[in-house]
Amino acid sequence: KQEVTQIPAALSVPEGENLVLNCSFTDSAIYNLQWFRQDPGKGLTSLLLIQSSQREQTSGRLNASLDKSSGRSTLYIAASQPGDSATYLCAVRRGQAGTALIFGKGTTLSVSS
Amino acid sequence: GAVVSQHPSRVICKSGTSVKIECRSLDFQATTMFWYRQFPKQSLMLMATSNEGSKATYEQGVEKDKFLINHASLTLSTLTVTSAHPEDSSFYICSARGVGLEKLFFGSGTQLSVL
Repeated sequence: KQEVTQIPAALSVPEGENLVLNCSFTDSAIYNLQWFRQDPGKGLTSLLLIQSSQREQTSGRLNASLDKSSGRSTLYIAASQPGDSATYLCAVRRGQAGTALIFGKGTTLSVSS
Repeated sequence: GAVVSQHPSRVICKSGTSVKIECRSLDFQATTMFWYRQFPKQSLMLMATSNEGSKATYEQGVEKDKFLINHASLTLSTLTVTSAHPEDSSFYICSARGVGLEKLFFGSGTQLSVL
């Protein structure tokens, strides 16, 4: 059974710092991996999607890497801003057709000004 | 990007009543819908998967008679929490997948509070 773990559970940093969020998964046979942002009481915003054949994806200040063989992914946030404060969720998808995402518990990030 | 509309965003009900949550794909045909539940400070847990026109497949531990899922069309899926109890209070969120779409798109979620 696939399990997704995210470390740390919570993180507080001052504005401007670069930071790394970690995600690990137990079954390396994944189809893709997605990073989401969730604001309190709200739905999910997809940040980056990495296919199993890819090593990384970048969008603005965000960079996500994937090492499928070791079951790890990282989300790098450059020059953090207070608006980045949210919970970041990592999720893996096992197959293509009709398979759901399996989520980690998330890392709650707080960026102070 | 594809849009998934979920309603209501928040509902408060008395114990014993039934609550229906709707999830609509606005600009694509959702061949598969996933329903998740999230308790405070916990991860999203998959409740069930439904394919249009078929019965939903429920995850272990999820009561199919309590959480009724209907996916009668390619743009609409509903989750009905029957005879809701306080322990059903949670954040419910749907996710949709369309043909040829790699990503799964999420609704904005429904916060259910059962008194």
